[in-house]
Amino acid sequence: DADVTQTPRNRITKTGKRIMLECSQTKGHDRMYWYRQDPGLGLRLIYYSFDVKDINKGEISDGYSVSRQAQAKFSLSLESAIPNQTALYFCATSDGRRDTGELFFGEGSRLTVL
Amino acid sequence: GQNIDQPTEMTATEGAIVQINCTYQTSGFNGLFWYQQHAGEAPTFLSYNVLDGLEEKGRFSSFLSRSKGYSYLLLKELQMKDSASYLCAVLDSNYQLIWGAGTKLIIKP
Repeated sequence: DADVTQTPRNRITKTGKRIMLECSQTKGHDRMYWYRQDPGLGLRLIYYSFDVKDINKGEISDGYSVSRQAQAKFSLSLESAIPNQTALYFCATSDGRRDTGELFFGEGSRLTVL
Repeated sequence: GQNIDQPTEMTATEGAIVQINCTYQTSGFNGLFWYQQHAGEAPTFLSYNVLDGLEEKGRFSSFLSRSKGYSYLLLKELQMKDSASYLCAVLDSNYQLIWGAGTKLIIKP
């Protein structure tokens, strides 16, 4: 089983619908992240959390919200999906004690908004 | 602003050597990473450089010059499975990762 698991792996939805992407990890890491990836662009950080009580906005948080339900779970919500949120979304974790920044990624969730 | 530049695409021949360059301008520096990403898959960690010089790990090596804001990833004895995108990322002064757009490497027989 993967150390970082994302569900769903693929989702097609319509404009205006609420969508939740879920992430769970078994690595025991405190830090969790949500990124989106678009063709020709680098990974862009949406939100990150350094522990259960800590939530921080990334560079592109508008239109998104997150919930850190437990150390192992970090979910991303699109309250009212729009077509330009069509992208590949990655959850990632890191071990903050090492501070090297190495990230461990989930397999990705491909979201299409029609 | 913060910026990381790397070539969009490169082509190389199986068995050869290829060098993928990365230049960066960031607010502070706490290390540079290279990740490999096969099409449709998650990025996976390749290397981490925080001091100037060359780090070698099997067929892959990564070089860093902090004064020049420059790094390269060197891949030797190329194999078809090395066809992937290679992502350069810098950890800035706030310990945030700044990502380049990636270099798509195509390996030809």
